[in-house]
Amino acid sequence: GEDVEQSLFLSVREGDSSVINCTYTDSSSTYLYWYKQEPGAGLQLLTYIFSNMDMKQDQRLTVLLNKKDKHLSLRIADTQTGDSAIYFCAETPMFSGGYNKLIFGAGTRLAVHP
Amino acid sequence: EPEVTQTPSHQVTQMGQEVILRCVPISNHLYFYWYRQILGQKVEFLVSFYNNEISEKSEIFDDQFSVERPDGSNFTLKIRSTKLEDSAMYFCASRSRAGVNEQFFGPGTRLTVL
Repeated sequence: GEDVEQSLFLSVREGDSSVINCTYTDSSSTYLYWYKQEPGAGLQLLTYIFSNMDMKQDQRLTVLLNKKDKHLSLRIADTQTGDSAIYFCAETPMFSGGYNKLIFGAGTRLAVHP
Repeated sequence: EPEVTQTPSHQVTQMGQEVILRCVPISNHLYFYWYRQILGQKVEFLVSFYNNEISEKSEIFDDQFSVERPDGSNFTLKIRSTKLEDSAMYFCASRSRAGVNEQFFGPGTRLTVL
């Protein structure tokens, strides 16, 4: 079955790097995503990676995908207080058809302190 | 920047009552979704909707739930007879045909069933 797991909480000092980890079970996943949720707001797509890639960099964000271990991570360089939010890992199962439901993890709450 | 909106932001209802949660997706989008998140748990897919019909639904989406796009702009989720366990944050999302499955989420409606 499809399942996505992530740790629930991460605390980092401002300026340090944050690494948020995720594991998934569906080896047929086509895309894997990171969403961010700020208080009172909806989920915002931060970045995604196609399953035939192992790394993607986008400014301060680096996504690493280890397909063998079904492990996805999001690294935020030079973490700022504005990065404090809940980060959700998600996948699209290949056999979801063209309608592409997302399977989410429970979210990792990132707290950035001075 | 276009965004998905949802109303109300918070709905309190008595068990057994009907509720309608409303969403206005982004205007040129073609695929529509409802997800929910019970407090402390994962964001769960409920249903996807395309071309005026349900394209996929989860086990949660039983015959107490229905969706409708009544007027080409609104997208509604109706729960006919609410149960205590329906208390959750309900998110609407939409996406356009093209591109990576980038779903744009609304801020959510918090449903509390007493």
